Order: sequence, then C-alpha cells, then structure tokens
Amino acid sequence: KNEVEQSPQNLTAQEGEFITINCSYSVGISALHWLQQHPGGGIVSLFMLSSGKKKHGRLIATINIQEKHSSLHITASHPRDSAVYICAVLFFGNQFYFGTGTSLTVIP
Amino acid sequence: DTAVSQTPKYLVTQMGNDKSIKCEQNLGHDTMYWYKQDSKKFLKIMFSYNNKELIINETVPNRFSPKSPDKAHLNLHINSLELGDSAVYFCASSQGFSPLHFGNGTRLTVT
Repeated sequence: KNEVEQSPQNLTAQEGEFITINCSYSVGISALHWLQQHPGGGIVSLFMLSSGKKKHGRLIATINIQEKHSSLHITASHPRDSAVYICAVLFFGNQFYFGTGTSLTVIP
Repeated sequence: DTAVSQTPKYLVTQMGNDKSIKCEQNLGHDTMYWYKQDSKKFLKIMFSYNNKELIINETVPNRFSPKSPDKAHLNLHINSLELGDSAVYFCASSQGFSPLHFGNGTRLTVT
C-alpha cells in the first residue's frame, strides 16, 4: 500500500478550466513537494510546503496538516500545463515517498 | 551550469552486463538520491546519501550499489543487469527543506 495517495490518475481539461489535483498521506510529515514532469522527462519542483498555501503564477498549492491532505490548483489552464504532476512527501526520518502521479492533458 | 547532471542520458545494454550511471550536483546540497521510475511513471526511492553516509537503503537488489566519492557525486553501479532493470533512473539532491532538484534522468534499456 502506498503511503501517498494521489487523485485523479488521469485528467483531461479544456483550456481555461480550473484544475485541482489532490494528495493524501497517512502519517505525519515534515514537508510536501509538488513536482512536474513534462513529456520530455525532466522533473522540476513546483512547490515545497510545510503549512498553509503558496502561489506561483497560475499555480496554487495548499496543505492541511491536520487532515493530511494537499491540493495543487491550476487556474486558467493552458495546453503547456500538460504534464504529469507528482506529490512527494517527506516523512520524518528524511524519507521521501511519492504519489502515483496525475497525468494532465489540457486541450486547446 | 546545470544544477544536477547525470550521464549518460540513454544506456542500452545486454543482460548480464555491468554498467554505471554518474551524477553530480553543484548546489552544495548535503543529501543526494537515486530514484527509479517505472513504465507507469511511478517514482520509487532506491538510495539516499547524506554527507557521504547511506541513510536510506530500500529493498533493492544488491546488484545495485551507490558510490559517493564526495558529497557532490553519487554514482549508481549495477551488476549483472536484468530485463526488469529497464527503467528511467533519476538522481536528485536536496538540502534540509529546500526543493528537490532532479537530474534529467537516464533511460536504461536492457535487451
């Protein structure tokens, strides 16, 4: 059983739609990362959260420590947002676990 | 001036061979990782090195061995390659609560 659950696994949206990707984890963590992997394969870190909310451009990430849940939102989605989004959780003990990823396709 | 660089980008080899993948980071990070990404894009940690000390060693076959000559380098050696080793391998580094920085990946194909 994966300690990090991510949903949905696949998501198709029309350009301009508001998108939400969810991540839930089972035990206490020290930090949570949202990663983006484009079809070319490279992985970049979008956000690192330990509490509250962060915003970067059209991307917003939130985390609720009590509920052990994080969301990644994309406003005014664009085809260039098409990628795999991965939740990575840093458990106490410096061990990272990853969600299974959400494959997002934004259609023009 | 790439932050985390790994080589080679592609590696095609036959079963039974021994191969190495190199990783270097110029960020001054204390912790480096090797991850394996399977065909379903699921990332799984293989090894983690902190200040040249192995701190995580998941249940990977002992055919895989990490080698860290200094804190800027973490190389991955694989002996007696098997078909199931075919995957994309990512090196990454981090420092405390800083974002993870990934290399561009090495696509290993075992024939």
